[in-house]
Amino acid sequence: DTEVTQTPKHLVMGMTNKKSLKCEQHMGHRAMYWYKQKAKKPPELMFVYSYEKLSINESVPSRFSPECPNSSLLNLHLHALQPEDSALYLCASSQDRGTYNEQFFGPGTRLTVL
Amino acid sequence: DQQVKQNSPSLSVQEGRISILNCDYTNSMFDYFLWYKKYPAEGPTFLISISSIKDKNEDGRFTVFLNKSAKHLSLHIVPSQPGDSAVYFCAASGLSISNFGNEKLTFGTGTRLTIIP
Repeated sequence: DTEVTQTPKHLVMGMTNKKSLKCEQHMGHRAMYWYKQKAKKPPELMFVYSYEKLSINESVPSRFSPECPNSSLLNLHLHALQPEDSALYLCASSQDRGTYNEQFFGPGTRLTVL
Repeated sequence: DQQVKQNSPSLSVQEGRISILNCDYTNSMFDYFLWYKKYPAEGPTFLISISSIKDKNEDGRFTVFLNKSAKHLSLHIVPSQPGDSAVYFCAASGLSISNFGNEKLTFGTGTRLTIIP
């Protein structure tokens, strides 16, 4: 299995809602990532988990809360988002963080905040 | 400050010919470079990578060239096929930049490649 899966594909939420994005990989990768991509822009790193511990937080607002329940799963909990948070949210994984290795991306969740 | 730049937002190439996508970077600490392809409504797909100890890496129709002195890399696709039509992102990372290894990828703004049948 060489895939990163993400659910849901699309999500529409109000500013007062609480929702979660899910990501799963079964490649035995020990590093997992959340990226945000706005239209016509490159992906921007949000969080990195390495061996299930948060290793990088790129100064992301606290309304985004990541969670790594185990080595295969990564969640992103959303609360009190703003319309400007509407974007494509991408999950990625890589073998580990210590050597040169490529990141594999999921298809993304298209999030719309009303 | 855009540390990785793809100055051509779009490129059109005839099917069967060579496609050359270019990428420039400013941070001399970058030592690992990757190319990703992205179709609409999908995540980026890894194509090929190169570390700074090499100046060329080849995988089938895809070849990446790295010119460290010019801080420039290019992706060559030959022969170009209609399925190659997508947005191509160049990305870079550096073991020395953070204490955490090569996780932090800095992406360029992308080049939309269109292959004309």
